Parts: sequence; structure tokens; C-alpha cells
Amino acid sequence: GIQVEQSPPDLILQEGANSTLRCNFSDSVNNLQWFHQNPWGQLINLFYIPSGTKQNGRLSATTVATERYSLLYISSSQTTDSGVYFCAVDPPGGTSYGKLTFGQGTILTVHP
Amino acid sequence: GAVVSQHPSRVICKSGTSVKIECRSLDFQATTMFWYRQFPKKSLMLMATSNEGSKATYEQGVEKDKFLINHASLTLSTLTVTSAHPEDSSFYICSARVGQERSPLHFGNGTRLTVT
Repeated sequence: GIQVEQSPPDLILQEGANSTLRCNFSDSVNNLQWFHQNPWGQLINLFYIPSGTKQNGRLSATTVATERYSLLYISSSQTTDSGVYFCAVDPPGGTSYGKLTFGQGTILTVHP
Repeated sequence: GAVVSQHPSRVICKSGTSVKIECRSLDFQATTMFWYRQFPKKSLMLMATSNEGSKATYEQGVEKDKFLINHASLTLSTLTVTSAHPEDSSFYICSARVGQERSPLHFGNGTRLTVT
């Protein structure tokens, strides 16, 4: 099956700093999503981004599908950004439809 | 936006009992829903695909007799953990997609199961 690797595994920031999280995947994908899992376990849908660039406030994401990677940018980080960030991909059609494969996540800690 | 509701959010049960978890799509119909499991400090792993009106399909290594899935309507899927044991303690989370293949998955808030 498809492999999804995220880096770095852990990231510690001071409030106000910027950061970049990376997601590499081993095959072509239909879908790619970035999630933020908060301390209560809720998965917050950040971006649906199988290709291209999107921005939402202090967050933005870029996926280069031909090179099989995606980047999540967090600018001016806040303590509420702390949590685990997951990248998940959905390989093209057939029996894999809808079956997201998750990376191992990046644990982000933002200190005040 | 699409909302997936999961209930209960937390449950504690004794070994040997069964626990049912509900997953509802509140503002859309979902012919297919997905159940994931997450161990502490680990990633999410797909357990099974729930299909409305037909049998669920399970991922390799997932016991279908242990984790019973019923998708009786276009807005409700249930996961029943039968004869629960402490090793079944985990975070279970469901998801569903609005529309067809090229659209995002939406997740419920998860259920934290503790078996004593």
C-alpha cells in the first residue's frame, strides 16, 4: 500500500514563530488532507489539497502531486496551534476509494 | 459544512460486555462510512468500510466478529465492540464523505473506550 511519511516528528516553537511541516507519499493520490488533532482527540479538517496551494488565515498548504509531497505552513504560531498534525492520502479509485492512509503525525508544541 | 456526529464521546465498560458506538451524518447522506482506530500517541488506522445496505468490508487483521458494523440507513452506521477486553481500549473515530471520490472526508469527534 501507499506509504506516507511526515517530518519532523516533533516540533517545539516559541509563540510567534513560523514553521513548515512536510508530508511525502509514495504513489499518486486522489485526495490529500491535512488535519489538526487537538488534545481532546478531535480531528479538525485543515485543508483538502490534492494539488495546488490554499490559504486559510495563518495556515497555508501546498501539494506538488508530481513530486509526491505536501507542505503545511503555520505562520505566527499560537499556543492553540499545539497538537498533532496529520497528513492523510487517498490513492486513486477502485478498492482504495475513501480509505485514507495517515502519516505518523507531527507533534507541535507552542510555548508562550 | 458537512457534520459527522459520533456518540458516545467516552465510555467505560467492564470486560466481557459489549459497547455500541453510533456515527451519524447530520446534514448529508453517506452510503459509505469509515471506522478508524487510534492507539495512544499513534496514528489512525482504518478498521473497516461500512456500506449502507450491505456487509462491511474489514481491513486485514481486524476481527469482524469482534467489531460488528451495521449501516442500516444513509445517515447512520454503528460499531459494536463485542465481548470487550482491556486490549480493545482505544480511540475509535468514524468518517464519511459528501459526494463522490474527489471530496474531503469528514470525521466525527471520536469515542474513547476504556475496558476495565
